[in-house]
Amino acid sequence: NAGVMQNPRHLVRRRGQEARLRCSPMKGHSHVYWYRQLPEEGLKFMVYLQKENIIDESGMPKERFSAEFPKEGPSILRIQQVVRGDSAAYFCASSPPGRMNTGELFFGEGSRLTVL
Amino acid sequence: GESVGLHLPTLSVQEGDNSIINCAYSNSASDYFIWYKQESGKGPQFIIDIRSNMDKRQGQRVTVLLNKTVKHLSLQIAATQPGDSAVYFCAESLGSSASKIIFGSGTRLSIRP
Repeated sequence: NAGVMQNPRHLVRRRGQEARLRCSPMKGHSHVYWYRQLPEEGLKFMVYLQKENIIDESGMPKERFSAEFPKEGPSILRIQQVVRGDSAAYFCASSPPGRMNTGELFFGEGSRLTVL
Repeated sequence: GESVGLHLPTLSVQEGDNSIINCAYSNSASDYFIWYKQESGKGPQFIIDIRSNMDKRQGQRVTVLLNKTVKHLSLQIAATQPGDSAVYFCAESLGSSASKIIFGSGTRLSIRP
């Protein structure tokens, strides 16, 4: 049973370009979360999605950032017109049904975005 | 606002000794408290959680203690091994979904041979 799969693992973009990060949750998990981590810091919640629905996007910047989790395919975190401050590790996590409130999340290995 | 803080940013422990990683929290309404381990270059890995109505929970080589009176959480690792080297995050969940999970800034645990 594969874990949470994220790709790409590393992504380099120039300022103004777009970044697309993909996440496939664990088999049987229908809840996906995206977190952002700066070096030597904790994880900051960005968005929580179920299939075809955004449940909570309170941690996501209002501009340039969007997320989706279509009926088929992986969840996508999209950052438009990237700036240097977007450089970070972006982690995706999923949770088993019925366990969302416990905080038990299964994380992917992360996508590390570098903006030049 | 709510926050989860840590007493020490780094901890160095002799191999074979027990490790104790501490954490302070501020939100009395949290339902669950969780410890995650993050190895270099990897994603966080769930270690153990404890519900707010408990004060102790044991896992394999790990014990989590919760003191609600002083809003303190600790993770004890028995017989620390080189593979325990990582950053440890405490987190608190306010329930309903992971969007209410607040992560601390982490404690780096290093093991001396």
